[in-house]
Amino acid sequence: EDQVTQSPEALRLQEGESSSLNCSYTVSGLRGLFWYRQDPGKGPEFLFTLYSAGEEKEKERLKATLTKKESFLHITAPKPEDSATYLCAVQDSGAGSYQLTFGKGTKLSVIP
Amino acid sequence: DAGVTQSPTHLIKTRGQQVTLRCSPKSGHDTVSWYQQALGQGPQFIFQYYEEEERQRGNFPDRFSGHQFPNYSSELNVNALLLGDSALYLCASSIGPNTEAFFGQGTRLTVV
Repeated sequence: EDQVTQSPEALRLQEGESSSLNCSYTVSGLRGLFWYRQDPGKGPEFLFTLYSAGEEKEKERLKATLTKKESFLHITAPKPEDSATYLCAVQDSGAGSYQLTFGKGTKLSVIP
Repeated sequence: DAGVTQSPTHLIKTRGQQVTLRCSPKSGHDTVSWYQQALGQGPQFIFQYYEEEERQRGNFPDRFSGHQFPNYSSELNVNALLLGDSALYLCASSIGPNTEAFFGQGTRLTVV
């Protein structure tokens, strides 16, 4: 059974204070690892897809990296508007396996 | 370009009733997946529809059923509502079953 664990559950940062969020996963075979941002009461917003160990993707202040067992979302010099819950999900490469398995998310608060 | 749209945005139902939620996928997308998100949890996969067929189903009872129409829009039906069905129901669309999924804003269902 696919499993995703995110840490920490919550993170408070001062504006400009860089940090990283962790996503550990267990799958029989990885088709893709996905990062989403979710604001309260809204649907998740797609950020990145990573497919293989060593891959990196960047978007503004966010950079996602992937190893064989975990992924990191690095946030550089965050701003208050980066406050949200960040969700990590994996898709198994098994035949007929299409679902995304999500972690519980990391709630990020960036204080001005 | 319209993204994924869901209706209604909020809904209050009584225990034992039935409910239908609707989803229009992003333009150019042909695959629709449904997720249930309880407060403080990550989304849980309900099922996915592609080419008007249910391609994969998560660990949800038969009270949850769905349909995909020729225009790729989809419905989620829940019968015999329980208090525990109260959640944010999310629809996600993609191009084929295995590409990035884009989510709608969700339908908040409250069962009283």
